[in-house]
Amino acid sequence: NAGVMQNPRHLVRRRGQEARLRCSPMKGHSHVYWYRQLPEEGLKFMVYLQKENIIDESGMPKERFSAEFPKEGPSILRIQQVVRGDSAAYFCASSEGHSNQPQHFGDGTRLSIL
Amino acid sequence: LAKTTQPISMDSYEGQEVNITCSHNNIATNDYITWYQQFPSQGPRFIIQGYKTKVTNEVASLFIPADRKSSTLSLPRVSLSDTAVYYCLVAIQTGANNLFFGTGTRLTVIP
Repeated sequence: NAGVMQNPRHLVRRRGQEARLRCSPMKGHSHVYWYRQLPEEGLKFMVYLQKENIIDESGMPKERFSAEFPKEGPSILRIQQVVRGDSAAYFCASSEGHSNQPQHFGDGTRLSIL
Repeated sequence: LAKTTQPISMDSYEGQEVNITCSHNNIATNDYITWYQQFPSQGPRFIIQGYKTKVTNEVASLFIPADRKSSTLSLPRVSLSDTAVYYCLVAIQTGANNLFFGTGTRLTVIP
């Protein structure tokens, strides 16, 4: 009974490169959420997706950031032209349903920008 | 925007019961209250969720008064491995999942 799987666990990029973060939800879960966490802070919501649809992207920066959750395969959080300020831990969560269903989190991808 | 307020930190000795209270004055009628635990370099782990009165599972109890403007997570007989950050969350809007994580409560269990 695998949990939420994120890869890579650590990712190093130089300024201006692209970062791709992957998230495979728990089996049977069709709702995926992405959060960002800076050191000593709580998680900040970025985007909520269902299969092939973005439901809520109110927490995601309008530029350089995009997310998808295709019919087949993992959810992808993509950051183009990374800057130093993008350095953070990015967590993915999944849930079975919607509205008040508990979200189950992966162990995150730690992105470092050189 | 519904938010939660928790103590920033708490210390407790091993074997004691720990109660962490969270205020959520703007909780909506259909919102549930959920608590998560987070260890360093790991994702948050779901602990317990409730709507009203009392909920108990194998690791914790959750007490919610009738007005639902606050809740208390109770951890019985804590051990050193319970040292972590504990987050209290409520759904901000019915029909959305924009969970708001505050800074949480950093619990340190002392031998």
